[in-house]
Amino acid sequence: AQSVTQLGSHVSVSEGALVLLRCNYSSSVPPYLFWYVQYPNQGLQLLLKYTTGATLVKGINGFEAEFKKSETSFHLTKPSAHMSDAAEYFCAVSGRGGSQGNLIFGKGTKLSVKP
Amino acid sequence: DSGVTQTPKHLITATGQRVTLRCSPRSGDLSVYWYQQSLDQGLQFLIQYYNGEERAKGNILERFSAQQFPDLHSELNLSSLELGDSALYFCASSVDDRVSYEQYFGPGTRLTVT
Repeated sequence: AQSVTQLGSHVSVSEGALVLLRCNYSSSVPPYLFWYVQYPNQGLQLLLKYTTGATLVKGINGFEAEFKKSETSFHLTKPSAHMSDAAEYFCAVSGRGGSQGNLIFGKGTKLSVKP
Repeated sequence: DSGVTQTPKHLITATGQRVTLRCSPRSGDLSVYWYQQSLDQGLQFLIQYYNGEERAKGNILERFSAQQFPDLHSELNLSSLELGDSALYFCASSVDDRVSYEQYFGPGTRLTVT
């Protein structure tokens, strides 16, 4: 069975500081990994994904994540936080399509950005 | 805007009632997924349809059912509603669940059961 653990339900950073949101996964098969962002009262927006190939993936809004198989991790980073980054972030894992294509989400990390 | 539409945006109803939530996927997307987001359970997968056929089931209660129509829109039916069914229900779509793995989410339907 697949699962996702996000360390830290709340993370607070100052504007301009590094953002690091942690995600560890468990999967018996090579997983597909995703980060989604949810702004208040909105749906989920895909930030980035890892399927195959390069383990460092770049997404929208300056975010990137690195797939580390040995550590079963897919942490999300951004070099310099902006006030507009304040939102809830979800890490998700899925199998490889077909009946395994549904997303399994972590519990989310709420990011606050202080001026 | 993801291109996925959901109606209604808000729904308030009483215990024991039945409601239908509607989802229109992005143009060209064949696969539709339903997810439930609640404070205690987080985001949970309910059910997936692909080109009109049920593809996978998650933590969907027997009181809940869904279908995908020939025009590819989908409906989620929730019956004998309980207070604990109050949640945000999301629909997501993808082109083809064997080729493209990106799911695009709609804005959600917020269900309040009183």
